[in-house]
Amino acid sequence: ETGVTQTPRHLVMGMTNKKSLKCEQHLGHNAMYWYKQSAKKPLELMFVYSLEERVENNSVPSRFSPECPNSSHLFLHLHTLQPEDSALYLCASSQEAGTGELFFGEGSRLTVL
Amino acid sequence: KQEVTQIPAALSVPEGENLVLNCSFTDSAIYNLQWFRQDPGKGLTSLLLIQSSQREQTSGRLNASLDKSSGRSTLYIAASQPGDSATYLCAVPTDSWGKLQFGAGTQVVVTP
Repeated sequence: ETGVTQTPRHLVMGMTNKKSLKCEQHLGHNAMYWYKQSAKKPLELMFVYSLEERVENNSVPSRFSPECPNSSHLFLHLHTLQPEDSALYLCASSQEAGTGELFFGEGSRLTVL
Repeated sequence: KQEVTQIPAALSVPEGENLVLNCSFTDSAIYNLQWFRQDPGKGLTSLLLIQSSQREQTSGRLNASLDKSSGRSTLYIAASQPGDSATYLCAVPTDSWGKLQFGAGTQVVVTP
């Protein structure tokens, strides 16, 4: 099993659809993150979860809704997205929030039509 | 506000040459600095993490140095190979919850 697994790898959705991105980490870490990578822009942090509790919401629009049912799984629920939300969404984990090395998944490439 | 800059933005070298990638940050009060590699359309692979108390960190052909006082880190890749072609990113945490500030990256091409 790879360390951090994301599904789906590619997703195309209309602006009225509802979909979810899934992330699973097999590293025994306590913290999980969602990052967004848009073309020509540095990675931007979206959400941080520590021991299943959201500890940071980096001014993300409410059309993105995270869920962390346990320390190994993280979801990003998407609804009524805009074309400018098209990006690579990356999940990451670390032993503890704020310290140590971050391990990233392969990302989910989202295209909003 | 922490700003992270990577120079150059792109670099092309022949196989066998050593690579030198630069990362600078404006606020020297960092906990650590991490170097990543990203292949096109893929996620990030962690290469090295340097703690603020360390001056350098080594892994195989990779060596990263850290000079907090001058706000700089340098990633050296010895004897480059075509498989080293990728974008290299550095990042520093900006709060206690692991929010990383990334540089824009250096795109490296190693030609055979």
